[in-house]
Amino acid sequence: DIQMTQSPSSLSASIGDRVTITCRASQTIANYLNWYKQTPGKAPKLLISAVSTLQSGVPSRFSGSGSGTDFTLTISSVQPEDFGTYYCQQSYSTPGGITFGQGTRLDIK
Amino acid sequence: QVQLVESGGDLVKPGGSLRLSCAASGFIFGDYYMSWVRQAPGKGLEWVAYITTSGSTIRYADSVKGRFTISRDNAKNSLYLEMNNVRAEDTGVYYCARDNWSAWRAFDIWGQGTMVTVSS
Repeated sequence: DIQMTQSPSSLSASIGDRVTITCRASQTIANYLNWYKQTPGKAPKLLISAVSTLQSGVPSRFSGSGSGTDFTLTISSVQPEDFGTYYCQQSYSTPGGITFGQGTRLDIK
Repeated sequence: QVQLVESGGDLVKPGGSLRLSCAASGFIFGDYYMSWVRQAPGKGLEWVAYITTSGSTIRYADSVKGRFTISRDNAKNSLYLEMNNVRAEDTGVYYCARDNWSAWRAFDIWGQGTMVTVSS
C-alpha cells in the first residue's frame, strides 16, 4: 500500500502569514493527489484535486503543487477562517486502496 | 442541491452487526463511484471501501476486509455499508463520499457523517 506522510503535524500561524504543508508519497502517484480541509464536527471539504486544481469557491490564496512523490499545499496569506485540519489523499493505487495523510492541524495565533 | 445523507449509526456490541445507509440526491448517482471513509474520535481520516458505478469492482481497506460489505442500489440512489463482527476499533464517524472518477478520484461531495460506537 502507498503511505502518505504529511508535515508538519501541526502549526500555528499569524494572520497574513504564508503557510506550506507538505505531503510525501511512498511511491509515485502521478497526479492522483487531493487536498481536503476539515473543521471540528464537520465533514471534510475538497479544496484541491489533481495536485493543483482549485475547487469552485475555494479562495485563490490556496494553491497546490508538486509531482511524483512530493507535493505541497500553500496558503499565501492565512485568514482566520483557515483554521482546521488539512489532509492529503492519494487515489492512484486503487487496487491497493486509497490513503490519506495523517493530517496537519493549523491554528491561528 | 447535491447532497449525501448517512443514517444507521448506533451503539453496537463487539461482535455485532450494523448497516449504514447513504441517500444521494441532486446528481445522477449511478454515474459515480462511491466510497466510505471513517474517522475514529480525535483521529484522522481512514478510507474504508469503494464501489464502482455498476458495483462490478469493490475494494476494501485491509482493516475491514472480510467483515464489511459495501453495496449500492442505483435505482434507489443509495449506498450501503454492512458491518459484521465489529470491533472497538471500528468506533467513529462514518462518511459516505462521492468518488469522482472523472476528476482524479477526488472525493468531491461528503455526507454529514453517522456515528458508530462499538462498546459492551
